[in-house]
Amino acid sequence: EPEVTQTPSHQVTQMGQEVILRCVPISNHLYFYWYRQILGQKVEFLVSFYNNEISEKSEIFDDQFSVERPDGSNFTLKIRSTKLEDSAMYFCASQRGAPEYEQYFGPGTRLTVT
Amino acid sequence: DQQVKQNSPSLSVQEGRISILNCDYTNSMFDYFLWYKKYPAEGPTFLISISSIKDKNEDGRFTVFLNKSAKHLSLHIVPSQPGDSAVYFCAVPAGNNRKLIWGLGTSLAVNP
Repeated sequence: EPEVTQTPSHQVTQMGQEVILRCVPISNHLYFYWYRQILGQKVEFLVSFYNNEISEKSEIFDDQFSVERPDGSNFTLKIRSTKLEDSAMYFCASQRGAPEYEQYFGPGTRLTVT
Repeated sequence: DQQVKQNSPSLSVQEGRISILNCDYTNSMFDYFLWYKKYPAEGPTFLISISSIKDKNEDGRFTVFLNKSAKHLSLHIVPSQPGDSAVYFCAVPAGNNRKLIWGLGTSLAVNP
């Protein structure tokens, strides 16, 4: 059964450093998303990506964040200069598209900023 | 503003009994609803969904009921099994890009 994969599973970085979180969505899906969950808090939407461009982004997704789908399979989230408050689980998800709205999630990357 | 609410942070049931998890929403324009299950240190796993044109959807031991007038949905698990112990999230695809809006989750413990 196809699944979404994410690497690395855990990333520790120092404040101010750049990180890239990687995802391989399900191959025939058209919509791609990043979410995050800070410990003890709600899952939050960060950004959606469709047709090789950002289709929607949240207030959290400021200039420090960017996404790319460089080669038709990988989908990456870059944080340019990490802050302590970026520490969270980051989840990638993909969706086939209408009329199906189910999103399928990867196992997540735990980002720890020290 | 909590558009999707799960008011019970936790629920404990005996193995073999029914588990009922509840979710309320505020926006009557929502037209599709999803339930996800999440184990610690793993990503959410899609469980079951329901469209607003239905009031019930069943998949094996899992049934979701939708009451549009009350803006309420519930997930029934019967019979509950210890492996069902996890956090259950109600989520709604919203907007043109169908980003998911999440409830806070209910932690279910099924005791042997």
